[in-house]
Amino acid sequence: AQKVTQAQTEISVVEKEDVTLDCVYETRDTTYYLFWYKQPPSGELVFLIRRNSFDEQNEISGRYSWNFQKSTSSFNFTITASQVVDSAVYFCALSEARAGNNRKLIWGLGTSLAVNP
Amino acid sequence: DTEVTQTPKHLVMGMTNKKSLKCEQHMGHRAMYWYKQKAKKPPELMFVYSYEKLSINESVPSRFSPECPNSSLLNLHLHALQPEDSALYLCASSQAVAGGHTDTQYFGPGTRLTVL
Repeated sequence: AQKVTQAQTEISVVEKEDVTLDCVYETRDTTYYLFWYKQPPSGELVFLIRRNSFDEQNEISGRYSWNFQKSTSSFNFTITASQVVDSAVYFCALSEARAGNNRKLIWGLGTSLAVNP
Repeated sequence: DTEVTQTPKHLVMGMTNKKSLKCEQHMGHRAMYWYKQKAKKPPELMFVYSYEKLSINESVPSRFSPECPNSSLLNLHLHALQPEDSALYLCASSQAVAGGHTDTQYFGPGTRLTVL
């Protein structure tokens, strides 16, 4: 069965610290997609990144970077020089590529990040 | 900026009321979703519409009734809800592409529902 584990329930850092959010997944499929979403206190889920299972290149977008390692089934997310605006709940999610339109995201429980000034 | 809008932002209703949540997307997507999210939990999928047809119903109680009038609009009709239905209701949309590709879901800001 598919599963996503975010072992860190809550993380608290001081502004300008680097922080890594862990995501470990389980799937029997060879083709799948991984996602990260950010949910600030306002409630909206903001899409951050999608990565397919055939692309193991790391990605960097400004202060955000993602490390995808199939060997350890992990898709970790690092925020460099954290800012107060990064305070949010971050969700990792897994989806399999399937024929047709009946696809579903499998969500981790989320990591609540607090960045203190 | 999100191109998925939801109204109202907040809704308080009694258990005998009938109300509707509305969602609109302006991205030309052909798949739309309703999720329910309780505090400190991930979103739970409720319904999926693909090309205006209901394709997934995750065994949601009949007091929740979805409707997709056209490819841009998605409604969720609420009737005889229970206090435990209080939650954040999120709408999302994605490109519905055939051939097994999984599409990114883009979410609206949500409706915070309180049932008294």
